[in-house]
Amino acid sequence: DAGVTQSPTHLIKTRGQQVTLRCSPISGHKSVSWYQQVLGQGPQFIFQYYEKEERGRGNFPDRFSARQFPNYSSELNVNALLLGDSALYLCASSLASGYTDTQYFGPGTRLTVL
Amino acid sequence: AQKITQTQPGMFVQEKEAVTLDCTYDTSDPSYGLFWYKQPSSGEMIFLIYQGSYDQQNATEGRYSLNFQKARKSANLVISASQLGDSAMYFCAMILWGAQKLVFGQGTRLTINP
Repeated sequence: DAGVTQSPTHLIKTRGQQVTLRCSPISGHKSVSWYQQVLGQGPQFIFQYYEKEERGRGNFPDRFSARQFPNYSSELNVNALLLGDSALYLCASSLASGYTDTQYFGPGTRLTVL
Repeated sequence: AQKITQTQPGMFVQEKEAVTLDCTYDTSDPSYGLFWYKQPSSGEMIFLIYQGSYDQQNATEGRYSLNFQKARKSANLVISASQLGDSAMYFCAMILWGAQKLVFGQGTRLTINP
């Protein structure tokens, strides 16, 4: 079975631009979570969606938004990019959104903002 | 608030030796899950092992075992018979009941020497 897939793999943008990252969960998984990992740190939670509804939001500005589609895939949008948005963006999927549901991660999208 | 602490920034171990990676957590919530993930240089977070707060037995998955000491709030990962391919960053993470986010520690970089 295919794992979590993310696109694109790498992305280079300039300050002020907008970016859309995409994620397809493992087949049968209904929950998708997004994390930002800055170099040298552990991942930080951005959003979780379950059954197309937002279930959790981390401490990120409103420039960050996301949505989940009927097929459970998800997009993360970041507007007005800042240099500090440069990071590895990880998507994770799980069967549901409980604390016993293991989150499986995709390969990530590496975003560089110049 | 929940917090994960990994006090070993780096560990160096000889091939075939066992290694213990430390993790302590802080929460007053009785219901939570603890996870260990491996992150190779490629960036993907690979799920290794899970321990629920109500699980009576320590979790094991192949060469990985989790030494869960609830009273001490520790969840150390033990890797038996280490291999060169075990060289990577290792993250301990926790999720609370009713919360949607994984909270990660700072990670430990494990290097296996031949």
